[in-house]
Amino acid sequence: DTGVSQNPRHKITKRGQNVTFRCDPISEHNRLYWYRQTLGQGPEFLTYFQNEAQLEKSRLLSDRFSAERPKGSFSTLEIQRTEQGDSAMYLCASSSSGQPNTEAFFGQGTRLTVV
Amino acid sequence: GQSLEQPSEVTAVEGAIVQINCTYQTSGFYGLSWYQQHDGGAPTFLSYNALDGLEETGRFSSFLSRSDSYGYLLLQELQMKDSASYFCAVNDGAGNTGKLIFGQGTTLQVKP
Repeated sequence: DTGVSQNPRHKITKRGQNVTFRCDPISEHNRLYWYRQTLGQGPEFLTYFQNEAQLEKSRLLSDRFSAERPKGSFSTLEIQRTEQGDSAMYLCASSSSGQPNTEAFFGQGTRLTVV
Repeated sequence: GQSLEQPSEVTAVEGAIVQINCTYQTSGFYGLSWYQQHDGGAPTFLSYNALDGLEETGRFSSFLSRSDSYGYLLLQELQMKDSASYFCAVNDGAGNTGKLIFGQGTTLQVKP
């Protein structure tokens, strides 16, 4: 297994456009998380899936953001009508509910720049 | 509200020992984790404390006091490659979902 994979690594888009990011977690992990990180800050929780069910969404997540994990494997995060404030690194992480220490494995992230 | 406090920057010399403190105030708590992140890299897991006391993993140790809502990460025999950002994170979420609430991070600079 090559770990958590995210695509694309970088995305530049014009304000108002829609963007979609993909995350492929570690294959045996049933939990998947999306986080957002801006420069000099820690990752900020966005949403969480267990298998295909989206069980929690941050109250900070506007309705322009939507995430799916249709078959309990890969996940997509879509941002509609992007704004400059959406510019950030979007990180995906996965873990197994069977892990006693709940270690999360992060991908390299997708860096979004909205111009 | 939920908050984690850690120093923004720490500087130390190669071979030294450094301690990064973290205090937290969160609505839920299942444990305290520590992650390392190099510039441009992904956060990588270092350690996890669910119970009070010290956990040791090689050169890194982590401590937790639940009654004080306090923990620290201890790095020994510092190496240049330890220069990175270090984040404490509370494992939060009803039912121990593994959801992480991160601090703002501590930038560690190791000097020769």
